[in-house]
Formats: sequence, structure tokens, C-alpha cells
Amino acid sequence: DARVTQTPRDKVTEMGQEVTMRCQPILGHNTVFWYRQTMMQGLELLAYFRNRAPLDDSGMPKDRFSAEMPDATLATLKIQPSEPRDSAVYFCASGPGGPYNEQFFGPGTRLTVL
Amino acid sequence: GENVEQHPSTLSVQEGDSAVIKCTYSDSASNYFPWYKQELGKGPQLIIDIRSNVGEKKDQRIAVTLNKTAKHFSLHITETQPEDSAVYFCAAWEGVNDYKLSFGAGTTVTVRA
Repeated sequence: DARVTQTPRDKVTEMGQEVTMRCQPILGHNTVFWYRQTMMQGLELLAYFRNRAPLDDSGMPKDRFSAEMPDATLATLKIQPSEPRDSAVYFCASGPGGPYNEQFFGPGTRLTVL
Repeated sequence: GENVEQHPSTLSVQEGDSAVIKCTYSDSASNYFPWYKQELGKGPQLIIDIRSNVGEKKDQRIAVTLNKTAKHFSLHITETQPEDSAVYFCAAWEGVNDYKLSFGAGTTVTVRA
């Protein structure tokens, strides 16, 4: 049963610290998405990749967030420096691409910035 | 860009009754409309989807209808059960050369035993 995996599942850190979240997409999927979920904003798309190339990161605060795909099996989302307003659940999703882009979500990383 | 609105934000139903969630979209070029279910502490999971070339699709107790002219689509859950309690999101796919899904704000469904 292929699944998207995310690590860590929970992260508590202090303001100003660097946070790195990792995602392993489903093998063979060529699109990867990062979302942030909060009660106030719902599901927000932060960035997405196709064939490891970033296609759109307009949803990300550029000064502190960065997203990369070092290889086809790993996507990372970094926050440096972290702020309390970054507290949220971050989801990674992957998809096979194509005209009807079904997305498969991971379990999420719950980030708390104190 | 695409704008998806979802109603209601919360829905409480008696077990065995039906639940209906409605969404509207703004981009007439959108042609793929998935529905996701998110259980507590988990990521959203696709439960059903519909493409613009059909008006209705069913899968056991869930069905989705699409009205392209009015630009709205709905999720119907019949014979609701406690395990149907979750947050449901509708979404629309923005276009041929774009891979983004635009999500609605979500509906929290509670099934009362």
C-alpha cells in the first residue's frame, strides 16, 4: 500500500530556530505539493514541484521558507528563522501528474513554534 | 485564479440521514472536481471525484453531482454512519497546464448516534 510519508510527525521548537520537514512521495509520482493547514486559513498551497523542478512557490513567504527536492524520493520544506505564526500542520502530497491531478496526502507534520 | 466556496461550514446529522455539501467554483475552464475526507489527526484522503464530462458519479453511499452551467457541484452521503464524521473538502483543478487544486474551506460533518 503506497503512501506518502512525512517526518517528523510532531515538532516543537523555539522562535528563531531552523525547522526542516521531510517528505517521501509515492514512488513514481512526479508532482509534489506542500500545504499548510490552520484553523483560520484552511488548506494553503505553499509550493509544488513537477519532475523535481519548482513550478510555483508563490504561496510561501520567501524570506524564511524554502522548498527543495534533492532527489525524486525526498522533498524538504525549511523554515529559517521560525516564528510563532508558522505554527500549523504542514502536509506533503504527491500525484502521478497528468490532466487529472489526483493528490495523495501524507499524515502531516504538526509544528509548534514557541 | 480559481475560487472555490463551500457550504455549510458545519453539518450535524442523525445517523441514517443524508448529508449534502455544496461547492461553487469561478473558473469555467475547471474540469476536475475531487472531494477529500480528513479524519482527526490525518491528512486529507480522496473519496470521490468527478470530471466535467459527466453529471453524476456514485460510489456506494456517496455520490457527487456537477452542474457546469451553474458552476456548482455537490457531495451527497446517504445512510450516514458515525465513521462518516470528518472534515470534507471540495476542490477544483485549475486548468490544462496547471497542477494546482483549489480547495474549499471545508465542512465539518458530525453524525449523531
